[in-house]
Amino acid sequence: QKEVEQNSGPLSVPEGAIASLNCTYSDRGSQSFFWYRQYSGKSPELIMSIYSNGDKEDGRFTAQLNKASQYVSLLIRDSQPSDSATYLCAVNIEGYSTLTFGKGTMLLVSP
Amino acid sequence: ETGVTQTPRHLVMGMTNKKSLKCEQHLGHNAMYWYKQSAKKPLELMFVYSLEERVENNSVPSRFSPECPNSSHLFLHLHTLQPEDSALYLCASSQGALAGGVEQFFGPGTRLTVL
Repeated sequence: QKEVEQNSGPLSVPEGAIASLNCTYSDRGSQSFFWYRQYSGKSPELIMSIYSNGDKEDGRFTAQLNKASQYVSLLIRDSQPSDSATYLCAVNIEGYSTLTFGKGTMLLVSP
Repeated sequence: ETGVTQTPRHLVMGMTNKKSLKCEQHLGHNAMYWYKQSAKKPLELMFVYSLEERVENNSVPSRFSPECPNSSHLFLHLHTLQPEDSALYLCASSQGALAGGVEQFFGPGTRLTVL
């Protein structure tokens, strides 16, 4: 059973702070990791992908992957109210076509 | 806009109706997916098509019937649905499917309500 776990939140941070979103996965064969942002009533939007251990930075977003601990995180620096959304973690196993999604963490950034 | 469109955006149907959801991708991708998103649940993969062939059917009830006439279009035919089928139905596409590790891009979804 492939599982992806996320704290459902809400995670509340003040504007300008760093938001840290975490995700753990059960299958050690997992190879590819994705973060999607989903605004209420909208569809998921891909914001980050990471394939190897370490950090990957894109603007205010940093994805961190630790395969030994089966842990992937997303840091959002200088959080803005427009970052308020649900963040979905998705994991893919090499050789398989499917993504397994977590339930998502709701982030609330207060002005 | 991600280059994946879905119609209709909203659909209300009775349990005896037959309807179809349509998805079109303008990204030149060769794989397409149907997902179901219900409240308080993770996204559930329903079907995967790669190069117009169904490569995955995730134990979905037969009242859902997918069709992929070409690599740009995907349909989900619905008949005799149940109220618990009410959900957001999302289409996605990617370049490559069986190799894994590919980024999937989602359409805006169809909000389905079954009365």
